[in-house]
Amino acid sequence: EIVMTQSPATLSVSPGERATLSCRASQSVSSNLAWYQQKPGQAPRLLIYRASIRATGISARFSGSGSGTEFTLTISSLQSEDFAVYYCQQYNNWPPALTFGGGTKVEIK
Amino acid sequence: EVQLVESGGGLVQPGGSLRLSCAASGFTFSNYWMTWVRQAPGKGLEWVAIIKQDGSENYYVDSVKGRFTISRDNAKNSLYLQMNSLRAEDTAVYYCARDQASRIYLIGWFDPWGQGTLVTVSS
Repeated sequence: EIVMTQSPATLSVSPGERATLSCRASQSVSSNLAWYQQKPGQAPRLLIYRASIRATGISARFSGSGSGTEFTLTISSLQSEDFAVYYCQQYNNWPPALTFGGGTKVEIK
Repeated sequence: EVQLVESGGGLVQPGGSLRLSCAASGFTFSNYWMTWVRQAPGKGLEWVAIIKQDGSENYYVDSVKGRFTISRDNAKNSLYLQMNSLRAEDTAVYYCARDQASRIYLIGWFDPWGQGTLVTVSS
């Protein structure tokens, strides 16, 4: 099983500042990585797929990078609606055994 | 509008069974891989099961193999999760979600998601 590790667990950021979230895979997943945003009481929403491609309707404030085992989600200038939990998820094996990271909570500083 | 609506959650005793449903609308359901993902209270996301467009292939996380069965009825635009031999650790919100694009192969990331249905396993 590929284990996904996200850091930090909690990130305190002031509105307007930049946030950088990390996700590490226990083995290479190539670029087969997605990022999701989840707000309290809501379902997750796809933000980024294939490591760096923004999903439909996602603000350009969100950008993803990385490949192999190290990935980053950057939120360039945090808005109030961006305070949420962010999860990375890999899909790089067959038969499929998709795994999520433990999440990073982005909170208001 | 693309929409997924889960139902069937509730309180069940350990060892019991429950069948979740997910009603899909706004897209050609039969063209997409579909999946179930769960989230225990206050915890992260855990992938549970996935099924191919025609139901010919399905895959599960190890912890539910032999207990859960994913299925679909393309004529009814519906996805199901039959859960047997339920345990306390199966307590979670269960989400259904659609593969991002309609390809014969699995894309592997999911959009959109339903709002979820809560399953509580407790005596």
